[in-house]
Amino acid sequence: GQNIDQPTEMTATEGAIVQINCTYQTSGFNGLFWYQQHAGEAPTFLSYNVLDGLEEKGRFSSFLSRSKGYSYLLLKELQMKDSASYLCAVRDSNYQLIWGAGTKLIIKP
Amino acid sequence: IAGITQAPTSQILAAGRRMTLRCTQDMRHNAMYWYRQDLGLGLRLIHYSNTAGTTGKGEVPDGYSVSRANTDDFPLTLASAVPSQTSVYFCASSDSSGTSDTQYFGPGTRLTVL
Repeated sequence: GQNIDQPTEMTATEGAIVQINCTYQTSGFNGLFWYQQHAGEAPTFLSYNVLDGLEEKGRFSSFLSRSKGYSYLLLKELQMKDSASYLCAVRDSNYQLIWGAGTKLIIKP
Repeated sequence: IAGITQAPTSQILAAGRRMTLRCTQDMRHNAMYWYRQDLGLGLRLIHYSNTAGTTGKGEVPDGYSVSRANTDDFPLTLASAVPSQTSVYFCASSDSSGTSDTQYFGPGTRLTVL
């Protein structure tokens, strides 16, 4: 079967750095996405990785290793507004997105 | 309209009733999707449409139907609602001709079936 694993919940301090991991086992791979979802709102797109390596976008970076079936989202200089769930999704060989259950990130002052 | 809109925002429905959730996008995206999101689970694909006039089944299609008469609209119908269909429903769209085919989401419909 297809599987996306992420930690259920993480806690970090305002101003610090946090890394959210995602491991996947899917039938084929055609890209990995990270989305942010605030409580009661829709998911919003953060990043896309299709090749190995690091993609940096402001305070957020995303890393991919296809050989290890592994990605992480790195958030720097954490702000209170970063409190949200972070969703990892992989596009499989059928070109459908397989979603993880999400990681709830709690930021403390 | 800017992006994707969904209606209604929320709805309480008696079991056995028919319900249509509406989704409209103005980005001229060719592909559209319906997901449900339940606590502790990832988003699960119900139905999708790669282009106007075509639809396909996702991971959890039973009890749901869709149509895609034009590019902009992608309604989801529950023919006879059951309590297990209580969920938050998200519509999404994407431009599959783009490099990443990123999906963009509507604000969601919170549905409760009693």
